Amino acid sequence: KAGVTQTPRYLIKTRGQQVTLSCSPISGHRSVSWYQQTPGQGLQFLFEYFSETQRNKGNFPGRFSGRQFSNSRSEMNVSTLELGDSALYLCASSLGLRSNEPQHFGDGTRLSIL
Amino acid sequence: QKEVEQDPGPLSVPEGAIVSLNCTYSNSAFQYFMWYRQYSRKGPELLMYTYSSGNKEDGRFTAQVDKSSKYISLFIRDSQPSDSATYLCAMSESGTSGSRLTFGEGTQLTVNP
Repeated sequence: KAGVTQTPRYLIKTRGQQVTLSCSPISGHRSVSWYQQTPGQGLQFLFEYFSETQRNKGNFPGRFSGRQFSNSRSEMNVSTLELGDSALYLCASSLGLRSNEPQHFGDGTRLSIL
Repeated sequence: QKEVEQDPGPLSVPEGAIVSLNCTYSNSAFQYFMWYRQYSRKGPELLMYTYSSGNKEDGRFTAQVDKSSKYISLFIRDSQPSDSATYLCAMSESGTSGSRLTFGEGTQLTVNP
């Protein structure tokens, strides 16, 4: 069974640009969550999508947004990129039928802002 | 103060040693507890998932939860060089916020042959 797939693996952008990251969950999983991982702050929750609706949201500015498609694939968008947005962005999926199911992570997209 | 505290290490042990990794937390609403292992340039891999206080064993790994003390542990028996990684504890509340995991900062472990 294929795991969580994130594309691209690496991205380099400049300040002010915008970026879109993609996540394909494990087959049958309907919940997709996004996390930001940095050396200083560790792993921080961005948001969760279930059945194309945002079900949970973390404490990030509105520049960070996401969406989910009918096949459960999800995208995350960051607009007006700042140097501090350099991080590993991780996607995790779960069945989504209960709120506390184990989450399984992809290998992330490493975003570097110049 | 962070909701979840975890000693970042680094922790270095000889092969075959018993490793003890720990996290403390302050949010009484945390009901679900997880341990993830993260290798360099990879995403976190779920190792253990527990709900109740007590011990849960899976092979060489034992997860321990003490809700009264707000303290969780992961023990690794007969540690191997392949166990060298960063270990992250994670927790979540019950109910609609349950999908939101709160992580410790991770403990970097090196097992020396």
